[in-house]
Amino acid sequence: DTGVSQDPRHKITKRGQNVTFRCDPISEHNRLYWYRQTLGQGPEFLTYFQNEAQLEKSRLLSDRFSAERPKGSFSTLEIQRTEQGDSAMYLCASSSVAANSPLHFGNGTRLTVT
Amino acid sequence: AQSVAQPEDQVNVAEGNPLTVKCTYSVSGNPYLFWYVQYPNRGLQFLLKYITGDNLVKGSYGFEAEFNKSQTSFHLKKPSALVSDSALYFCAVRVPVGEYGNKLVFGAGTILRVKS
Repeated sequence: DTGVSQDPRHKITKRGQNVTFRCDPISEHNRLYWYRQTLGQGPEFLTYFQNEAQLEKSRLLSDRFSAERPKGSFSTLEIQRTEQGDSAMYLCASSSVAANSPLHFGNGTRLTVT
Repeated sequence: AQSVAQPEDQVNVAEGNPLTVKCTYSVSGNPYLFWYVQYPNRGLQFLLKYITGDNLVKGSYGFEAEFNKSQTSFHLKKPSALVSDSALYFCAVRVPVGEYGNKLVFGAGTILRVKS
C-alpha cells in the first residue's frame, strides 16, 4: 500500500507527558499537512510543509506543539506537556504540487490524554 | 474568510432512493471545492472536486456534485443510495497558503445514514 501512513494508530498518555506522532506521506508528494479532528467536528488545519520548509502554522498550534519534516520525507508532530484538551484524532495528509491536486489522508493517530 | 457550511448534521435516506448532502460556500474569487468521505476510525477519502468547467462533477463510487454559482452551493448527490454509503461526509474549500501552496478548510460534516 502506497498511501499515507501514520504511527501509532492510538496513543493513551497521562496529562503532562510528551507524545510524538509520525507521518509517512506518499513518496512523490512534496506537500504535507497536519490536521486535528475532534468528535463531531471537521478537521482543523494545524500546519503545512512544502518539502522540508514549514510554510504555515495555525494559531491552534500552541507553543507546546512542534512539527518537523527534516529531510522533506516523513514528518513528526510532538506535543509537550499534554493536556486533556489535546485529546483528538491527528490526521496527516499529503499532496503533489500539481495545481488543485487533492489531499490524501492517512488513517490518523487517536490521542487520549487521561 | 473562505469557508464552507454544511447545514444538515444528519441525512437519512432509504436504500435505492436518491441522496443529497448539502454544502454552501463563502469565498472571494473562484471557488475550488472538494468532497471527502470518512468511515469510522479512518482518515478522509477524496470523492471529487470542482475547479472549473462543467457544473456537474462526477467522482468516485457513483457520487456526483452540482456546482451552483448563483446559490453558492456545491451539493453532493447520488442517484441510488447504498447501505454502504453510510458515513460522515465533509465539504471543503481550498484556501491559498503563501505563494504557491494551499490548504483545505472543512465544514463540520454531515452524517449520512442509508437504511435498508
